[in-house]
This record gives sequence, structure tokens and C-alpha cells, in this order.
Amino acid sequence: GQQVMQIPQYQHVQEGEDFTTYCNSSTTLSNIQWYKQRPGGHPVFLIQLVKSGEVKKQKRLTFQFGEAKKNSSLHITATQTTDVGTYFCAGRTGYSTLTFGKGTMLLVSP
Amino acid sequence: DTGVSQDPRHKITKRGQNVTFRCDPISEHNRLYWYRQTLGQGPEFLTYFQNEAQLEKSRLLSDRFSAERPKGSFSTLEIQRTEQGDSAMYLCASSLAPGAEAFFGQGTRLTVV
Repeated sequence: GQQVMQIPQYQHVQEGEDFTTYCNSSTTLSNIQWYKQRPGGHPVFLIQLVKSGEVKKQKRLTFQFGEAKKNSSLHITATQTTDVGTYFCAGRTGYSTLTFGKGTMLLVSP
Repeated sequence: DTGVSQDPRHKITKRGQNVTFRCDPISEHNRLYWYRQTLGQGPEFLTYFQNEAQLEKSRLLSDRFSAERPKGSFSTLEIQRTEQGDSAMYLCASSLAPGAEAFFGQGTRLTVV
């Protein structure tokens, strides 16, 4: 079955440092979504990428979808304490349901 | 509040008991999903509905689990003869269309003692 892997599992940065999480799928994806889950909260949708090589930006967040549509990344520039949480990628093949990765937990120290 | 709502938020039950959770999706969303999440893991797909039709169930889903969406609106997830391994956060999500973003509820945290 489809597998989605994320690295790293955990990262602790100082406020102002950059952060990147990587997502890799065992199969080619039709699209990939990113979610953020705050401690004690539920996943909240951030963005969806559909096209090969697509890059989207949301303020300090940059999302990329690989050319082969099997990998993706989320980069946060100049982290803030409000960025704390777990970031999940979730991949889809065709009209199948989303398969979530295990997430990358980000901790930001002031 | 027009988001996805789940009830109850917390449930503690004894092993062997049956439990039922309810999910009310966003009203115009015809797709409804159930996921399970344990500590340190991502949401694991259980099942989903398009309107009242249950279109897919995870192969990992035990026969003790059943879900319904009788009128294409709210959904219930029942777990029979609960086991300690069923302890998890059960998340419901809804979306407007296939491939669209999923909106998650706050979840029901189940503890089986």
C-alpha cells in the first residue's frame, strides 16, 4: 500500500532560525496536502499542491512539490514561537483517501 | 459554529464495553472521513462516506468497528467490545469534494481501561 514518510520526526530550533520538513511517498501522487496540528489540537489544512514542480508561498512558509510528484517539502523562514506544532504531509493517489505521514514536531525556543 | 463537531470530546470506558461517537460535518460537505490518531503518529484512515454511501473501509479496520451516515448528514462510529488497543483520538473530517481540503473536528479521545 501507499506509504508516506516524513523526516525529521522532531526538530528544536531557536526563534529566528529556519526549519524544513521533507515528505516522501512510495508511489506517485496526484496531489499532496500539508496540515498543522498544535499541541492538543486537531489537524488544520495549510495548502494543497497538485502540479509537478509546484512551489507555493504563504508568508514565511514555502511549499514545494517534486518534479516526480513523489516528494514534497515545507520550509519555514525565521521561525516564531507561534510556529510550534506538528506538521503533516498527506498524499493522495487518484481519488483515493489521504495517507498521512507521521509528522514532524517543531519546537521553537524564544 | 459552522465547523466539524464531534461528541463526546472524551470517553473513558471499560474493556469489553461498546462505545459510539458522533460527528456532524460542515453542512454542505458531502464527504465525511473517520481517522484514528495515536500519540506520535499521523491520522490513520478508517473509513469514508460520500453522502450516505460508505465508499471505502481500511483493511486494518476490525469487524468490531462500524460506521453509518444514515441521511448523508451526521455520522456515527461504533466500536464493539472495546480493547485497550482501541485507546486513541478518533477524528472526523469533512470535505466539499474529492481532493478538496479536509476540515477536521476536535476529535473524541477514547481511553479503554
